[in-house]
Amino acid sequence: SAVISQKPSRDICQRGTSLTIQCQVDSQVTMMFWYRQQPGQSLTLIATANQGSEATYESGFVIDKFPISRPNLTFSTLTVSNMSPEDSSIYLCSAAQGDYGYTFGSGTRLTVV
Amino acid sequence: GDSVTQMEGPVTLSEEAFLTINCTYTATGYPSLFWYVQYPGEGLQLLLKATKADDKGSNKGFEATYRKETTSFHLEKGSVQVSDSAVYFCALSAKGGNKLVFGAGTILRVKS
Repeated sequence: SAVISQKPSRDICQRGTSLTIQCQVDSQVTMMFWYRQQPGQSLTLIATANQGSEATYESGFVIDKFPISRPNLTFSTLTVSNMSPEDSSIYLCSAAQGDYGYTFGSGTRLTVV
Repeated sequence: GDSVTQMEGPVTLSEEAFLTINCTYTATGYPSLFWYVQYPGEGLQLLLKATKADDKGSNKGFEATYRKETTSFHLEKGSVQVSDSAVYFCALSAKGGNKLVFGAGTILRVKS
């Protein structure tokens, strides 16, 4: 199965600033996903990112707050914009791999102060 | 919509005890079912999966059988180890839907 390199692994950011998280996959994948995991909670899907089209956002998430890029079949970024302490979470990217299921990056632990 | 319900934790067991973590689902059609494990401070790893009714997924001594009649996918292990301490997530992917829907997660603590 594919391997996803996600960075940064953690960051502490000031409120009002933005952070861009990157995910690099070692093989081409059609569908990538971005999830948020708030402290002690399960994973919530933010959006689905397909190459060549705009990301599809889930209810409660908007492009202005979480812009996503998907320039090719091996790379995607998620930006958390105008951050507040409520954005403190773990953010994970994932890639769909057909029969292999879904592979996840190691996550970005974000703390907003 | 599609949903996954897991038994609440934490589950605390002694080493070599038998483990069951219950998972039931609601979905239209016949989804694929997954168990993921998250060790402390790490991302998610696929533990096992099943794509159709009566399939049994297995890995590292863990097993789960896709039961369409009870819409369940319970995780079992005959003898847990301290190193199995982690959070376990049950998830589904609807056919054609692609995205994963996760349960709330179950914390497992194994004591020596």
